[in-house]
Amino acid sequence: AQKVTQAQTEISVVEKEDVTLDCVYETRDTTYYLFWYKQPPSGELVFLIRRNSFDEQNEISGRYSWNFQKSTSSFNFTITASQVVDSAVYFCALRQGAQKLVFGQGTRLTINP
Amino acid sequence: DTGVSQDPRHKITKRGQNVTFRCDPISEHNRLYWYRQTLGQGPEFLTYFQNEAQLEKSRLLSDRFSAERPKGSFSTLEIQRTEQGDSAMYLCASSLDLAGINNEQFFGPGTRLTVL
Repeated sequence: AQKVTQAQTEISVVEKEDVTLDCVYETRDTTYYLFWYKQPPSGELVFLIRRNSFDEQNEISGRYSWNFQKSTSSFNFTITASQVVDSAVYFCALRQGAQKLVFGQGTRLTINP
Repeated sequence: DTGVSQDPRHKITKRGQNVTFRCDPISEHNRLYWYRQTLGQGPEFLTYFQNEAQLEKSRLLSDRFSAERPKGSFSTLEIQRTEQGDSAMYLCASSLDLAGINNEQFFGPGTRLTVL
């Protein structure tokens, strides 16, 4: 069965600090996709990144970076020099095949000024 | 705005009433998904369509729930005889999936249902 675990329920940091959100997944399939979504207070899920199981290269996009390690089944997300606008709930998700996403429980990130 | 839209954004109803939600996907997207999100949890898959065909339904989708996508464009999700446990955010997403290339799902703003 597929499962995504985000062990950090809530994280609170001061602006400009770096913060890492952890994601651990379980799947028996060799082909799968991993995602991160952001859910601001408005409620709409915003797509951040997709990574397939054959691409373990880390990715950086501005202040955001992602570390995918198949050996530990982890897909962690780091925000560098955090800003108040980064405050949101962040979800990690797994998709096997072409169908549904399986989401973790989310990490509520609060950036304090 | 060419994103996914949902209507209504909020719905308050009394237990036992029927409710219907609408989702308009991004126009060229052939796949449409419904998810349910309760407070403090991640979204949970309910069902999805490829064009007008409903290809998978979750066990969460009891017989009181029905979804349609009659012309392969917009979709409706109906809940009959609502129960307090149906209170949740109902999210719609769409994606463009062609010839084995699967793209990310884009989500709408959701419909928040409160059953009194």
